Amino acid sequence: KAGVTQTPRYLIKTRGQQVTLSCSPISGHRSVSWYQQTPGQGLQFLFEYFSETQRNKGNFPGRFSGRQFSNSRSEMNVSTLELGDSALYLCASSLTGDAGNTIYFGEGSWLTVV
Amino acid sequence: GQQVMQIPQYQHVQEGEDFTTYCNSSTTLSNIQWYKQRPGGHPVFLIQLVKSGEVKKQKRLTFQFGEAKKNSSLHITATQTTDVGTYFCAGIMHSGGYQKVTFGTGTKLQVIP
Repeated sequence: KAGVTQTPRYLIKTRGQQVTLSCSPISGHRSVSWYQQTPGQGLQFLFEYFSETQRNKGNFPGRFSGRQFSNSRSEMNVSTLELGDSALYLCASSLTGDAGNTIYFGEGSWLTVV
Repeated sequence: GQQVMQIPQYQHVQEGEDFTTYCNSSTTLSNIQWYKQRPGGHPVFLIQLVKSGEVKKQKRLTFQFGEAKKNSSLHITATQTTDVGTYFCAGIMHSGGYQKVTFGTGTKLQVIP
């Protein structure tokens, strides 16, 4: 079956702009999580969605938001981009997000803010 | 806030040698996950440990969760070049109705053939 699909894979934005990233989970998976990975900060959890509801969230400012649709596809949005937002944004899906579920990551979206 | 320290940051081993990476949390965890990320790739889920003192094995990999659920280790026996990559732990804690996930800084493993 198809894996976790993230689009776009690469993008360049200017400071102050906003960006929307998309994630299609594995078919049947209802939990989608988002992560930011940078060389300096490592992997950081952004938020998790389950059945269209944000269930968990990390310590990121309100400029970072997300949503999940009824088909479990998810989007994350970053408004008023800053240079420090340049990172690899990873999406992961699992059946329910509960303990014991295997978690599958997508290839990620590389965001460069100039 | 919750911190998850992971050591060592880097490890070079000769092929065939053993390798261990350790994670220590400042707070008691609900569960811990381990991931492997190859250079240029995305993290791949390896395992999740939930019970205090739990030990799980996957072929040459042995995962342990401490009795106090504050530390964990990943041990690889007889490393191979295919083991190259960065190994991350992720500590999960239930806090204020949310499930807080904190990743360790990762251990980058180099295997010298």
